[in-house]
Amino acid sequence: KAGVTQTPRYLIKTRGQQVTLSCSPISGHRSVSWYQQTPGQGLQFLFEYFSETQRNKGNFPGRFSGRQFSNSRSEMNVSTLELGDSALYLCASSRTGFKTEAFFGQGTRLTVV
Amino acid sequence: SQQGEEDPQALSIQEGENATMNCSYKTSINNLQWYRQNSGRGLVHLILIRSNEREKHSGRLRVTLDTSKKSSSLLITASRAADTASYFCATDQETSGSRLTFGEGTQLTVNP
Repeated sequence: KAGVTQTPRYLIKTRGQQVTLSCSPISGHRSVSWYQQTPGQGLQFLFEYFSETQRNKGNFPGRFSGRQFSNSRSEMNVSTLELGDSALYLCASSRTGFKTEAFFGQGTRLTVV
Repeated sequence: SQQGEEDPQALSIQEGENATMNCSYKTSINNLQWYRQNSGRGLVHLILIRSNEREKHSGRLRVTLDTSKKSSSLLITASRAADTASYFCATDQETSGSRLTFGEGTQLTVNP
């Protein structure tokens, strides 16, 4: 059974640009969550999608958005990139999102210059 | 904000020794999960313990949960150099649904 796949693995972008990250969950899993990991703030929840609907949202500005497709694959978009957006972005897949194991992908390392 | 706090922040032991890491949290939870992360890569799921469970085992891992003290511990027995990694606990709180709240992690170094 394939794990959670995130693409791309690495990205370098310039301030002001926008970026789209992709996550393919484990087959049969309908919940996809996104997290940002930085040395200063640790792991922070961005948002969760379930059945193409955003079900939960963290405290991030509106520049961070996402969506989920009918096959449960999810994308995360960050517009008007800032230096502080440099981070490891992790996607988590779970069967229902509630009270079940969450499995993470390898992450996308975003560097904003 | 981080709900959990791991203790210690860093732990260095010799191969073959046991490693114990602790995690504390602040609000009522549904589950607590432990993860391992190697050098800024993805999180590897280790074990999930439910709020009505007190202890769980998986291979060389033993996890305990004390909901009255709002704390959990992860014991790795007979450690190996390959266990060198950061270990995080994550809770899903009763009031926040699917959101996982992570601790700051314990950096474990196992010396050969």
